[in-house]
Amino acid sequence: AQSVAQPEDQVNVAEGNPLTVKCTYSVSGNPYLFWYVQYPNRGLQFLLKYITGDNLVKGSYGFEAEFNKSQTSFHLKKPSALVSDSALYFCAVRDLRVHASGGSYIPTFGRGTSLIVHP
Amino acid sequence: DVKVTQSSRYLVKRTGEKVFLECVQDMDHENMFWYRQDPGLGLRLIYFSYDVKMKEKGDIPEGYSVSREKKERFSLILESASTNQTSMYLCASSLQGSYGYTFGSGTRLTVV
Repeated sequence: AQSVAQPEDQVNVAEGNPLTVKCTYSVSGNPYLFWYVQYPNRGLQFLLKYITGDNLVKGSYGFEAEFNKSQTSFHLKKPSALVSDSALYFCAVRDLRVHASGGSYIPTFGRGTSLIVHP
Repeated sequence: DVKVTQSSRYLVKRTGEKVFLECVQDMDHENMFWYRQDPGLGLRLIYFSYDVKMKEKGDIPEGYSVSREKKERFSLILESASTNQTSMYLCASSLQGSYGYTFGSGTRLTVV
């Protein structure tokens, strides 16, 4: 099965500084990777995805992620953090679940990283 | 705007009650999912469905069942609620073969 790991439970950064939220993956074959954000008491919102092609993926709200095949990583980045970026961030990988009618692609999530941006 | 709607934002139920969590999507998506979210554990897949009346167990199906009688609606059922099922429950949907998954706002269930 495919999996992702988020090694940090919490990341603290000062407003205006660059931020990085880490994610590593373990897959067989080509990885399809995602980042989602969750604000308090809300569902998950899609930020960006890597399918193939350029290793630097740009997404919503000024976020980007760098796919690194040799390090099996897909870190989320932003050049200048905002207090409003404070939220829970989830990395995910698309995983194939086989069933009687063939298979379905399911996102499998990391444990999440709480980003706190200090004023 | 496309939507996944979960009928309740907050629910409080008693131990032993039968609980229904409802999820409706308006995008004609084949796939629908139920996840449970707990601090430090991330999102864990309970059940998913890839077509009407078709369902598959996820990673933590024990204590839960599901129903999908219509394409747009996917219900999660707690047959006899227990306190360890207190959690945030998230529903999602997707088109078969696509890379996009749309999530509902979640239902925070407390079992007392």
